[in-house]
Amino acid sequence: EAGVAQSPRYKIIEKRQSVAFWCNPISGHATLYWYQQILGQGPKLLIQFQNNGVVDDSQLPKDRFSAERLKGVDSTLKIQPAKLEDSAVYLCASRMTSGGAADTQYFGPGTRLTVL
Amino acid sequence: GDSVTQMEGPVTLSEEAFLTINCTYTATGYPSLFWYVQYPGEGLQLLLKATKADDKGSNKGFEATYRKETTSFHLEKGSVQVSDSAVYFCALRGSPGSARQLTFGSGTQLTVLP
Repeated sequence: EAGVAQSPRYKIIEKRQSVAFWCNPISGHATLYWYQQILGQGPKLLIQFQNNGVVDDSQLPKDRFSAERLKGVDSTLKIQPAKLEDSAVYLCASRMTSGGAADTQYFGPGTRLTVL
Repeated sequence: GDSVTQMEGPVTLSEEAFLTINCTYTATGYPSLFWYVQYPGEGLQLLLKATKADDKGSNKGFEATYRKETTSFHLEKGSVQVSDSAVYFCALRGSPGSARQLTFGSGTQLTVLP
C-alpha cells in the first residue's frame, strides 16, 4: 500500500514570496490533515479536511495560509506572503474515517520550508 | 484544552541499555494515546497506541501502558539498539465529544551509541 506522498521535499524562498505544497493521501482515506512542525517542537495542526470539506481550521493563520482539497483526494497548502517564522516542516497526514484503524494517522515525509 | 508533557531530551544511551521516556497528559474523558517515532529525514511513523485505561501498546520491543490514575503513558524498551536513534513523540487524541485532533508533545531525541 502506497503511503502519503508530499512534494516538494525541500523549498527555499525569500520572505514575502509565495509557496505551495502538495499532498496525496493514502487511497480511501477520507480525512486529511496539514501540520506545521517547527524545529525542536511537536507537530501543530493547521487544518483538517473530511473529504473536500473543512472540519477544523481554527489554528490556520488565514491572513497568509490557505488550503484546499477540491475533489476530496489531493490537497494543496499555500502560504502567501511567507514570513521568516514560517520556516518549518509541513506534514500531511491521512486516516480512515471508520473501522479499527480509524484512530491512526499516517504521515507523509514532509516538506522542509526555509524562508530567508 | 488537551496537552501532552514529554520528558525533555536529548537522551544518550549505550547499546543494550534500558530506555524510559516519560509522558504525561491532560485531557477530559478517555483519550487515545500514541507514541510516534521520527527517523532522520523521514515523516512520523506510529510506534504503538492504547485506546483505554490499562491497555498496553507494544511494537518492536517498545511498550507503553495507559495509566489513567497517573495520566501517564511512559515509553520503555529493555535493550535499545543503534537503529532506535530517532525523535520520539507522545500524542493524544481526544475522546468522542471533544476536539479529536492529535495533540503532540515536544519530542525527545534519542541517540544510541555502539
